[in-house]
This record gives sequence, structure tokens and C-alpha cells, in this order.
Amino acid sequence: EAQVTQNPRYLITVTGKKLTVTCSQNMNHEYMSWYRQDPGLGLRQIYYSMNVEVTDKGDVPEGYKVSRKEKRNFPLILESPSPNQTSLYFCASSFITGGPNTDTQYFGPGTRLTVL
Amino acid sequence: GQNIDQPTEMTATEGAIVQINCTYQTSGFNGLFWYQQHAGEAPTFLSYNVLDGLEEKGRFSSFLSRSKGYSYLLLKELQMKDSASYLCAVRVYASGGSYIPTFGRGTSLIVHP
Repeated sequence: EAQVTQNPRYLITVTGKKLTVTCSQNMNHEYMSWYRQDPGLGLRQIYYSMNVEVTDKGDVPEGYKVSRKEKRNFPLILESPSPNQTSLYFCASSFITGGPNTDTQYFGPGTRLTVL
Repeated sequence: GQNIDQPTEMTATEGAIVQINCTYQTSGFNGLFWYQQHAGEAPTFLSYNVLDGLEEKGRFSSFLSRSKGYSYLLLKELQMKDSASYLCAVRVYASGGSYIPTFGRGTSLIVHP
């Protein structure tokens, strides 16, 4: 089954304790992206990657790191989490060939992070 | 940069028709998507337009005017389960033959009996 998986789905942590949220897709997509979603602010892009070893900052990259060592995985790293990073996080992937439905983004189920 | 505008919230009555508008200002435009997102869940794909005109899919239709930088999503025969957030996303040319999406903030639709 084609899917994007994220782990963990829920996480409560404390300020300053490093954490990683994993994202994996099994569709051989080149493009992967992380978003955070907060009430009234919609989906805001944190980082994206157009292929292995190619990553770029989105709109709100401060406080986050990513890596793309393999095509299927795109982990999101918070080196020193702070309360303002409490949010709902989505990973997404797609092809980037410029075709119609083939470029539809597939989203993971989301990770609800609370930083105390 | 990209600029995408949608109304923040709309309300409508079960059985009615509602139109959700999206305006955009982008460079390298290459298509517009609409996604539906229920509270706490992941967005799911609804429609895609790359040429001007109306695309119909059952109760949902999407319209695009590239010259005006304008799209709308039309929902007919509204049902309570249509209460959700509707996200407009434009795809733009990035580099090296690649195209990447940018999302608007979404429109929260509330359907009441």
C-alpha cells in the first residue's frame, strides 16, 4: 500500500531535549517536505528536499534540521525544542515531474508535538 | 515569492451550494490543487487544474482562470461531513525541471443543519 508514515504520532517532551520525528515513504517520490500547522496559520513549510542529499529551507526553518540520506526517509530533527515548537507536524511526498495527478502530494498522518 | 489568499472561514447550510475562492500571485505557475483536511487529520487530494476552465468531480468542481490568478472550489448538495478545512495549493516551477507546491492558509468550512 502506497503511504507516508510518521513516528511518533504523539510526543510530549521538555524544553531542550533533542528529538527526531521520522518520515518514510514507499512510492519512490523525489520530493519530500515537512510542514507545521497551527490554528489560524495554515500549513507552513519547514524544509523540503527535491532528492537525496538536496534540502532547502521553507518558510519557517528556524530551530529545525533535516537530512535526506536515502530517498525514502526524511527525518525532522529538533536539536533543542522550545515551547513555540508545539504544533501538529506533517510530512508529505510527491513526484516533481510536472505531470498532473502524479504530482499530488501524499501526507503522513501527522505528529502532535507538545514541548513543555 | 508566492502569495496565496483564501477566506479564513465560511459557513453554509446542509444541502446548499458553497464556493470557496482562492487568489494567487506566483511566478512559474504550473497548476493548482485543492485539498480537504478534517480536523486533526492529514490533507487529502480533491482536485487539480492546470488549464483554464471547470473540472467537475461528483459534488465537487474546481475552476481556474490563469489570467486572473483565481480559482474556486464549488461544493454542491452540502453534507455535514463536508465540514473541514479546504486548502488551495499552487505548483510552481523550481529548477532543473522540477515543480514544487505552496499552500494557502486554508478555509474552514462549517456546515450546519
